[in-house]
Amino acid sequence: QDLLVQSGAEVKRPGASVRVSCKASGYTFNNYAITWVRQAPGQGLEWMGWISGYNGNTNYAQKFQGRVTVTADTSTSTAYMELRSLRSDDTAIYHCARAPVLGDSGWFDPWGQGTMVTVSS
Amino acid sequence: QSVLTQPPSVSGAPGQRVTISCTGSSSNIGAGYGVHWYQQLPGTAPKLLIYGNNNRPSGVPDRFSVSKSGTSASLAITGLQADDEGDYYCQSYDSSLSGLYVFGTGTKVTVL
Repeated sequence: QDLLVQSGAEVKRPGASVRVSCKASGYTFNNYAITWVRQAPGQGLEWMGWISGYNGNTNYAQKFQGRVTVTADTSTSTAYMELRSLRSDDTAIYHCARAPVLGDSGWFDPWGQGTMVTVSS
Repeated sequence: QSVLTQPPSVSGAPGQRVTISCTGSSSNIGAGYGVHWYQQLPGTAPKLLIYGNNNRPSGVPDRFSVSKSGTSASLAITGLQADDEGDYYCQSYDSSLSGLYVFGTGTKVTVL
């Protein structure tokens, strides 16, 4: 079945960077995009960014512009999300999800299991 | 960043019907973009519940249904069951400059 498997939990110091991976299987990676969503403890879902598996185009939420980079390796069907200059309020579960390839109206399915990122000194 | 507004919580007894509203703006729901709904059970990742016009992924019962009008959408759960308890989020595309997609603020459903 279509599956997204993410890398394991991370603990980082404030000011550091974190890179989370998301490996896709069960479908043709190039036919879809990957989007990244985070959820702080006890909070709601927050959309962060998107990368097309077809042409590598990206789009980021204004809030994260300049601090987040999403990349994809089509040879391994893996997407990556790097968040820099980490702060304590970046502590959250980071999810990847399959998204529309053209970045137009559409839904996210399936979702990865989530990666807990803890930022603490 | 644009967001879609949902009530923080709704509750109902087993067997009852509850509805969750999702209010957006002219750059998302009001522009005619599809609204999609996710269910997040405690301790798990979100799961697609309904997409577009009442399209349900395999395994999702027809107790869940949606409607849309103007800048708002709604999710209805009929025949409420104990395992429906969790958080529900709406999501849509947004044509403003703040990003591609927006989520609702989330609604916790409690079965009394």
